[in-house]
Amino acid sequence: DSGVTQTPKHLITATGQRVTLRCSPRSGDLSVYWYQQSLDQGLQFLIHYYNGEERAKGNILERFSAQQFPDLHSELNLSSLELGDSALYFCASSLSGREQYFGPGTRLTVT
Amino acid sequence: AQKVTQAQTEISVVEKEDVTLDCVYETRDTTYYLFWYKQPPSGELVFLIRRNSFDEQNEISGRYSWNFQKSTSSFNFTITASQVVDSAVYFCALSGGAYNFNKFYFGSGTKLNVKP
Repeated sequence: DSGVTQTPKHLITATGQRVTLRCSPRSGDLSVYWYQQSLDQGLQFLIHYYNGEERAKGNILERFSAQQFPDLHSELNLSSLELGDSALYFCASSLSGREQYFGPGTRLTVT
Repeated sequence: AQKVTQAQTEISVVEKEDVTLDCVYETRDTTYYLFWYKQPPSGELVFLIRRNSFDEQNEISGRYSWNFQKSTSSFNFTITASQVVDSAVYFCALSGGAYNFNKFYFGSGTKLNVKP
């Protein structure tokens, strides 16, 4: 158990809908990273927050957004969902930025 | 540009065989970190090791060992006497540079099948 929690574990929704994925980092970790893992794209870095501030963006679509709250939990918002957004979404947390500890992931299925 | 290449898509071995997973990276940064992660069938990503660019000493942890060679930009991972429980997808990753520690770049992964 990495200490990083993600909810929900599974999510099934329809195209065009909006969903919110939640991540709670390990106790003491200030950084939260979001990743998308799909069969054809591998593990793609989406975005990094540190202590509430956005630090880096990767291959994140404009339909996606994230934020980190004062209690350090983070939410990833996915809107206008398309079939191609079906993937496993991971959150990872880090204290030093030198290694990351991953949550169990949220499996999103868009039908 | 930062890039990690894991050319081996899938490897199958028989239990007790040794196996090496290859990782080649590209970076123009002089300071960077390399990582290996394991993703078992359960899906969770497990951190295995971190190596910084200034430390080329190879590391051994039980049946696992890592060979870091800056001259060839490689960070290979060897499992000695493989076991069925080693079956997983293994990812190599890179982060680095003065302003790039906020981003991680993952290879496409190598699926290891260890057969009894």
